[in-house]
Formats: sequence, C-alpha cells, structure tokens
Amino acid sequence: NAGVTQTPKFQVLKTGQSMTLQCAQDMNHEYMSWYRQDPGMGLRLIHYSVGAGITDQGEVPNGYNVSRSTTEDFPLRLLSAAPSQTSVYFCASSPLAGVTDTQYFGPGTRLTVL
Amino acid sequence: DQQVKQNSPSLSVQEGRISILNCDYTNSMFDYFLWYKKYPAEGPTFLISISSIKDKNEDGRFTVFLNKSAKHLSLHIVPSQPGDSAVYFCAATPGRGGQNFVFGPGTRLSVLP
Repeated sequence: NAGVTQTPKFQVLKTGQSMTLQCAQDMNHEYMSWYRQDPGMGLRLIHYSVGAGITDQGEVPNGYNVSRSTTEDFPLRLLSAAPSQTSVYFCASSPLAGVTDTQYFGPGTRLTVL
Repeated sequence: DQQVKQNSPSLSVQEGRISILNCDYTNSMFDYFLWYKKYPAEGPTFLISISSIKDKNEDGRFTVFLNKSAKHLSLHIVPSQPGDSAVYFCAATPGRGGQNFVFGPGTRLSVLP
C-alpha cells in the first residue's frame, strides 16, 4: 500500500492563479481531510469528507473548495490564490468517520503564493 | 485564541534521560487527547492517545498523563533516544470520533547523543 499520497510536493503560485492539490489513498478509508500548517500554529482543519459525495467545512474553509467523487481521491482547489494561503498542506484519511487516533497523514505539499 | 497550547517551542534532552512535553487546553468540552510526532518532510504520525476518563496511558517508552482539573496533559518519553528527535503535536477533540481536531503549535524535541 502506498498509504496517503499528495502531489505536488512543492508549488509556487502567483496571486490570483488557481491550482488543485491532489490527495489519494489506497486503504479504502471513508474519512478524508485537509489541514494547513503555518509557522507557530498547529494544523488547522480546512475541509473534510466522511464518504464519497459528502464534504463539510472545517475551521478555515475560506478560499478553498473540495469534492469527493470517489473513495480514493480528495482534491483541494484554490480558485484564486492569495499570499495568505502560503502554507504546508496535509491530507489525512482514516478507516471510519472520526476514528481520530487512526488518521494517516500524507507527506504534505508546500505552497508559496507570491 | 489558541484552544490548545504548547508553550515550549523547543526542548533539548540528553539521550537516555526523560523528555517531558507539556500541553494545556482551554476548552472544557475536549475529552479526548492525542499526541502526534512529525519528522521533517513527512506527515504527522499518531503516537498515543488518552480519554478523559483516564489519567494515564502507557505505550512502551511513551506515557501520557492527563490532569483534567488543570486542563493539562504531558507526554513522557523514557528513555529518550536520538530517533525521538521530531516535532510533537498535542491535539484535542470533543469525544473520540470527532472531526473537529484542534492541534497545538508543536514542540521540537532534540535528543542529544
């Protein structure tokens, strides 16, 4: 199993550009989520999904869109990037909705918005 | 306003000694707590958890203590090893199974050989 994979590892955008951060898991997990990590702060939940076709907002959803068309994939879209979205983004998954101590994290995507 | 605080950004400990990482929280609704460990260029990995009905949970070299009245928990690593050098995040949630994970800012532990 590859576990949770994220692409790209690094990305530089200009203000106003759009992009999609990819996340995939091959463990057939129902629950998937996106976090961002900023210096001096913990990971903050952006969006999450408890199954295909179901998504919901976390603590910091503004500026981000998600969709969950398959169990395996949970892409995060930035429609118009802003410097405030410079961060490291982590995707996570777990086998059951909210079984929190079994969340598996991907290696992260480091995004810089100029 | 941070609901989960880790007031020590960094900690250095000699190999073989005890490492104690502290975490405080403000939200009395939190009743399930977790510690994650993170190496550079990797995602966090789950380390140990504790429910509010307990005051201690052990797993090998790792022990988590919870003082609910003080809203304080700590992670003890005994004995510390160089491979334990990482950033440790404390996280809290209102009940096991909650999606509303709140993380602390992390403590960078350096175990010196």
